[in-house]
Order: sequence, then structure tokens, then C-alpha cells
Amino acid sequence: GAGVSQSPSNKVTEKGKDVELRCDPISGHTALYWYRQSLGQGLEFLIYFQGNSAPDKSGLPSDRFSAERTGGSVSTLTIQRTQQEDSAVYLCASSLGPGQGYPNEKLFFGSGTQLSVL
Amino acid sequence: GQQLNQSPQSMFIQEGEDVSMNCTSSSIFNTWLWYKQDPGEGPVLLIALYKAGELTSNGRLTAQFGITRKDSFLNISASIPSDVGIYFCALAVLAGNMLTFGGGTRLMVKP
Repeated sequence: GAGVSQSPSNKVTEKGKDVELRCDPISGHTALYWYRQSLGQGLEFLIYFQGNSAPDKSGLPSDRFSAERTGGSVSTLTIQRTQQEDSAVYLCASSLGPGQGYPNEKLFFGSGTQLSVL
Repeated sequence: GQQLNQSPQSMFIQEGEDVSMNCTSSSIFNTWLWYKQDPGEGPVLLIALYKAGELTSNGRLTAQFGITRKDSFLNISASIPSDVGIYFCALAVLAGNMLTFGGGTRLMVKP
């Protein structure tokens, strides 16, 4: 497809289980972001990938959260031993990276994964 | 880290009214962006501002980059029901284009 694709769109899990959320960015976009949005709240930055550079993990809330990006394309956000406070919408976005074009601050967001931890 | 404050946090207005919201930062930035998030969707870029004092219009939307480079406002004229959503300001951190988002202004429009 032409846009950022996230799967699943909804995920219900039990407390203590691990979950994996997937993001397919727009082809050719070297920058990829994960954000978390709690109900009615703003966007909380989690992690940022840019090309082959080491990711900026400064927003990950705990060591239960990790993310990887394989081959500079698809990204997976993993949450281990989920807790109820992890319930939120997890949004992925991609953009052109520095030097790829102008403007490269334009992020294209997916529709998110709604995670509910029971 | 950078602090971005958006106000108001929420607005409930009558269709046809004009709307104004703003965003302030604790530091100087070179790029201000305004995004809108419709219910159940990801945010979409509305307007990008790159120069201090710049005033940009996009249909019924007008945004300005403050002269001090620490603030921006977004105005919506003659609001309509489809303006409902959350409006976010965002700043581009110079290194690597990582965006920092404000807390958002939730707009509700009564027909």
C-alpha cells in the first residue's frame, strides 16, 4: 500500500504476556518512529530509527520495551510482561530522512495499534 | 528535554465560530509544525513553518511562527463539524529531524 501500515489494529492481551506490534513504513522512507498515545492524551515518543544509525531509544519507558528494524524497513515493537498501564494506542510513523528531500519533517502516521492489557 | 505547552487543552465551540490555539516552547527552534488527528486515525500534517515571523494560510487555517521562535499559533476560521479532532504542535529537533509533540488541543464543534 501507499501509506504506513500497522498490525494488528487491535490487540487484547492478559497481564504478563508478551506482545509484538508491527509497522510497515512507506517504501523509501529511512526514518521511522514509534509513539504511544494514552486515551485522550498527547503523543509520547518511544524510539526513533534513522537509516543505519543507532536508534534513539531515549523514550522507551522501561526495559520491558524494545524495538528493532530489519533491513531498514519493517519495524517491530515488543513489550514483554505487559502491564495494565501499557494499554494505549501505539502509533508508528515514517518520513524521509536528512538529505533525502524537503520537507523531511513531514511524518506519515499509521492508524495505530490499540493495545488493551486485561 | 524540550518543553512544549499547548493551550487550551480542549475547546468546545459552535459551528461557524473562529478558533485560536497556541503552542510555546522553552527553547528556540527553526521549524514549527501543526498536525491534526481525526478520531481513530494517526495525525496528519496541516502546516509547516520555517521562518520566524512567517505567516502561512491553508484554506481556513492560518498559522504563524512567532518572532521569538519560541511560539506559534494556529487559527481556524468559520469552523465546521469535520474540524473536530486533536491538534498537535510539533518541533523538529535539529539533529536527525526527530519531532517532539505538544500535548494537543482537543477541538469539539457543535453543529
